[in-house]
Amino acid sequence: ELKVEQNPLFLSMQEGKNYTIYCNYSTTSDRLYWYRQDPGKSLESLFVLLSNGAVKQEGRLMASLDTKARLSTLHITAAVHDLSATYFCAVDYGGSQGNLIFGKGTKLSVKP
Amino acid sequence: EPEVTQTPSHQVTQMGQEVILRCVPISNHLYFYWYRQILGQKVEFLVSFYNNEISEKSEIFDDQFSVERPDGSNFTLKIRSTKLEDSAMYFCASTGAGPYEQYFGPGTRLTVT
Repeated sequence: ELKVEQNPLFLSMQEGKNYTIYCNYSTTSDRLYWYRQDPGKSLESLFVLLSNGAVKQEGRLMASLDTKARLSTLHITAAVHDLSATYFCAVDYGGSQGNLIFGKGTKLSVKP
Repeated sequence: EPEVTQTPSHQVTQMGQEVILRCVPISNHLYFYWYRQILGQKVEFLVSFYNNEISEKSEIFDDQFSVERPDGSNFTLKIRSTKLEDSAMYFCASTGAGPYEQYFGPGTRLTVT
């Protein structure tokens, strides 16, 4: 059974600081996704990582994938309040259908 | 920009009643999914649908659940006899030719009383 673990589950940061969220998964998968969710809202796709060594950056967020270590990281640079949200990683369950198994999410709070 | 839409946004129902949640996926997408999220918890996969049939379903998706694509645009999730524990946010998602990036709808909050 594929398990996806994120840590930390809660993260309180000050504006301007850097931090990393980790996503470990238990079985082989070459496809990993990061989503953002604001309270009461849907899931917004941030990154799709499709191969070992993939690195993608958008603004203050950078995601990477190490399929050998079964690890993805979401790095936050110089955090701002607008980044406050819950961040989920999700791993493709396998097969051809793309079913996603989600981590529990990291609730990020960026304080002035 | 095309988006996945869902109706209703909030549904309140009594235990034992049937509910149908509706989704309109992005028009040229081929793979369709339902997920649910119990308040404050992670998102859980329910079922995937491709080529007019269920591709895969999770343990949550028992005989009380069914999905249908009644026409070329709608994708529905039916819960035959709702239980209190079915209270959750239900998200529909769709993806294109390669089942990669999934686009999620805004969700339907189902409250079972």
